Amino acid sequence: DTEVTQTPKHLVMGMTNKKSLKCEQHMGHRAMYWYKQKAKKPPELMFVYSYEKLSINESVPSRFSPECPNSSLLNLHLHALQPEDSALYLCASSQDFSGETQYFGPGTRLLVL
Amino acid sequence: GQQLNQSPQSMFIQEGEDVSMNCTSSSIFNTWLWYKQDPGEGPVLLIALYKAGELTSNGRLTAQFGITRKDSFLNISASIPSDVGIYFCAGQSGGATNKLIFGTGTLLAVQP
Repeated sequence: DTEVTQTPKHLVMGMTNKKSLKCEQHMGHRAMYWYKQKAKKPPELMFVYSYEKLSINESVPSRFSPECPNSSLLNLHLHALQPEDSALYLCASSQDFSGETQYFGPGTRLLVL
Repeated sequence: GQQLNQSPQSMFIQEGEDVSMNCTSSSIFNTWLWYKQDPGEGPVLLIALYKAGELTSNGRLTAQFGITRKDSFLNISASIPSDVGIYFCAGQSGGATNKLIFGTGTLLAVQP
């Protein structure tokens, strides 16, 4: 089983809203990732959690707030987003953060109005 | 951020044709990965390569890890309409900053 699930699949929010994206994996992976992807571009890394601790923040604006409640779950809390934040948000996981293959979820398509 | 050089940028082919795409890097990688992405979906892992010179197949797909560790190619034989999508290569260096470095993507269109 190499499944990473993400909810919701689509999200529309206003610039004053607060929403959360959720990601879950049951593969026993200890590294989890958030990526942002614009149309026809490769995914861009945002955050990496390793053993439930934030290990990489790629200078992401504070309106994006990640959270890893346990080894299977990863959240991305959104607040006061801008229209340019509209994108496909992808979650991925790997066995650990030492060269193991990353498996991606289906993504959440976010539209900020 | 850093990206790998991936070519071609796009390909429009007839069903049944063979396809080849490649990625090159100025840096050495320990792992090369090939993903396929359908519109509105996440990338799906096709092939993972872990050793320089390694040649790996997955059905009609064949990929190789370049001997210099700076390049990789992906071949698709006898293309079918469901091969349509964007193909991304990705390299990993390993170690403390084990990030995926993605290629710029190859858009494949297959005409029945």
